[in-house]
Amino acid sequence: QQPVQSPQAVILREGEDAVINCSSSKALYSVHWYRQKHGEAPVFLMILLKGGEQKGHDKISASFNEKKQQSSLYLTASQLSYSGTYFCGTEIITGNEKLTFGTGTRLTIIP
Amino acid sequence: GAVVSQHPSWVICKSGTSVKIECRSLDFQATTMFWYRQFPKQSLMLMATSNEGSKATYEQGVEKDKFLINHASLTLSTLTVTSAHPEDSSFYICSARPPLADVTDTQYFGPGTRLTVL
Repeated sequence: QQPVQSPQAVILREGEDAVINCSSSKALYSVHWYRQKHGEAPVFLMILLKGGEQKGHDKISASFNEKKQQSSLYLTASQLSYSGTYFCGTEIITGNEKLTFGTGTRLTIIP
Repeated sequence: GAVVSQHPSWVICKSGTSVKIECRSLDFQATTMFWYRQFPKQSLMLMATSNEGSKATYEQGVEKDKFLINHASLTLSTLTVTSAHPEDSSFYICSARPPLADVTDTQYFGPGTRLTVL
């Protein structure tokens, strides 16, 4: 079953913050976050592993609550380049490498 | 990071013809590759897992005889859409993960192939 992301879409002004959530009905081993621009392949942002970790780089960070099977992606002081559709990819079994992608969140940053 | 290429970038074909899409890992060997399909404004849906030297594993609802996958070498997997019809028009993307990868590594995606069936 496909993980559900919220919100489905959001429009922000440059400099504002955003939170994107990913919720799974299955026990997760890892969560991978990607950003996809229109007509292009997804670009990897970061991976979070079972263990409830939180990580980030620059102005993008993420958390993973394994008890709730939820992950959140935090975008602070958003830039125009952050526009795109964000997907979480979830892995439920260690080692089989198969990712199930979430429903997606379309983020639009306006000047 | 690892690089995955796809060919062609786009293809337009007539209904009933077959189309082959290639996926190559350029700087690493991949025993496993994945094929996804993405319709406009929708998420990536896994079609099948391509295993080098053995049969592909298809997801539920994906027709094996229509979407033929061949993983003949450690750097090449091909997806052939047989007897294509307009409803097969979509964005097809492959991915691969470097072997012996660190657990913090991820799948790397090819640039995708846009298939349009007339």
